[in-house]
Amino acid sequence: AQSVTQLGSHVSVSEGALVLLRCNYSSSVPPYLFWYVQYPNQGLQLLLKYTTGATLVKGINGFEAEFKKSETSFHLTKPSAHMSDAAEYFCAVSDPRDDKIIFGKGTRLHILP
Amino acid sequence: EPEVTQTPSHQVTQMGQEVILRCVPISNHLYFYWYRQILGQKVEFLVSFYNNEISEKSEIFDDQFSVERPDGSNFTLKIRSTKLEDSAMYFCASGGVASGGSGELFFGEGSRLTVL
Repeated sequence: AQSVTQLGSHVSVSEGALVLLRCNYSSSVPPYLFWYVQYPNQGLQLLLKYTTGATLVKGINGFEAEFKKSETSFHLTKPSAHMSDAAEYFCAVSDPRDDKIIFGKGTRLHILP
Repeated sequence: EPEVTQTPSHQVTQMGQEVILRCVPISNHLYFYWYRQILGQKVEFLVSFYNNEISEKSEIFDDQFSVERPDGSNFTLKIRSTKLEDSAMYFCASGGVASGGSGELFFGEGSRLTVL
């Protein structure tokens, strides 16, 4: 069985500061890993994904995440936060054999002016 | 760019009524999913559908729920007798192509169901 744990249901950072959203996963097989963003009253948008290959993955809007197998982590970072980054962020894991995605509980990112 | 479309975007219904939520997945995808997000909570897996049958379902997906792919393009979620706790955003997703997928699911914008 697969699961995802996101540390911190709410994270606040100042505009221009580093964004770090934490995600740890559990999987019995090498997983695929994802970060999705959800803006208020909207659907789920893929930020980035890791499947195979390079462990540092770059996504849209300046976000990146690094797959660390030894730590079973896939933390999301952005060097400099922007007000438009305020949203809910979901880390997710899937078993490559069936594409079903399991989501974490989400982290709401607040950007302080 | 191909996308998953869902209708209606918002539906209000009375408790006990039947509701059908519709989705048009991306045309060459093979796997179809429904997820649910109760307001302020996580996105939860409901059911996956492959080769015209349910491949997996969660404990949420009880006998009140059913899915169907009636015509090769639409993918529907039916709730037979809605309860207050069915109020949520329902997301359809599709993924997987015959040539091998990337594991990515493509999500629709969601259908918000409000049960009164």
